[in-house]
Parts: sequence; structure tokens; C-alpha cells
Amino acid sequence: NAGVTQTPKFQVLKTGQSMTLQCAQDMNHEYMSWYRQDPGMGLRLIHYSVGAGITDQGEVPNGYNVSRSTTEDFPLRLLSAAPSQTSVYFCASSRGRPSSYNSPLHFGNGTRLTVT
Amino acid sequence: AQKITQTQPGMFVQEKEAVTLDCTYDTSDPSYGLFWYKQPSSGEMIFLIYQGSYDQQNATEGRYSLNFQKARKSANLVISASQLGDSAMYFCAMREGSTGFQKLVFGTGTRLLVSP
Repeated sequence: NAGVTQTPKFQVLKTGQSMTLQCAQDMNHEYMSWYRQDPGMGLRLIHYSVGAGITDQGEVPNGYNVSRSTTEDFPLRLLSAAPSQTSVYFCASSRGRPSSYNSPLHFGNGTRLTVT
Repeated sequence: AQKITQTQPGMFVQEKEAVTLDCTYDTSDPSYGLFWYKQPSSGEMIFLIYQGSYDQQNATEGRYSLNFQKARKSANLVISASQLGDSAMYFCAMREGSTGFQKLVFGTGTRLLVSP
């Protein structure tokens, strides 16, 4: 199993450009999520999904869109990149209910995004 | 309100000694899960250990143990016999039943440096 696969690993954008960060998992996990990691702030939840066709906002959703058309894929879209979106982005997945409370998140290796 | 608090930005320990990384949490939900993750300099997030709110015994996984004090709302990670490879960032995180266990909230992390 590949686990959680994120692409690309690195990306540089100019302000105003759009792009999609890809995330795929092969563990048949119901739950998928996107986090951003900034120095001194830990990981903050952007959006999450509890199954295909179901998404919801996390702590810092502004400027980001998601969709979940399949169990495996959960892309994150930046509609108009801003320097404040410079960060490391992690996709993560886990089993859903009824065991979700004790199910650890499995993380991808991250995407380092720089917006100039 | 800060749900997870890690008050130690950095910790130093000598090889083969034990070290405790502090984590306190804030919740009024009787059902929750607590997790610890390790992030080495390579950037990936590695799940270490889990403690459920109803668990009677402290969790252990190899050299990792979780000192769970429910009344004090603390879930400290204890690493025994530290190794050079334990040098990394460590994050405490929590999932609550009131949110359907759908959100994993992270602390800001503690950087551990193990010296020879």
C-alpha cells in the first residue's frame, strides 16, 4: 500500500495564480482532511471530508476549496494564491465511524508551497 | 479557546535518559481521544501513541508511554532511553466526541534535541 500520496512536493506560485494540490489514499479511509503547518502554530485544519460527496470547513478554510467525488481522492484548490498561503500542506486520512475516535490520522509527506 | 497546550517550545535530553513532553487539553466532552505525533526534520508526520478518555490504563508503545491524568487534563508523553533518532518535533492532538471525532486539533509542538 502506498498510504497517502500528495503531489507536488514543492510548488512556487505568483500572487493570483490558482492551483490544485492532489491527495490520494489507497486504504479505503472514509475520513480525509487537509492541514497547513506554519512555524509556531502547529497544524491547522483547512477542510475535511467524512465520505464521498461530503465536505466541511475546518479552522482556516478561507481561500481554499475542496471536493470529494471518490473515496480515494481529496484535492485542495487554491483559487487565487496569496503570500499568506505560503505554508506546508498536509493531507491526512483515517477510518471513519464507528471507530474514528481512536483512529490515528495517516499523513502524506506534505507539499511545500511558496507564493511570491 | 486553545484546546491543546504544549508549553515547552524546546527540550534537551542526553542519550539514554528519559524525557517527558507536556501536553494539557481542554474539553468538556466525556468522549475524546489523545494522540502524539513525531515530525523529524524530513517533515513527515509519524503517529506514536493513542489514549482514549475511557481507557483505565496508560497507553504504552515500546519506548513511548503516555502519562494520562484525566482530572488534571494532561497527557504527557514519556520517552524512555532516548536515542539520537528521537530528535524531532512532537505534537499532541485531540479528537472530541462532540464533533463526531471528525476534527483532530493539534498543539504547537515541542522540539526535542537528543545529545550524545
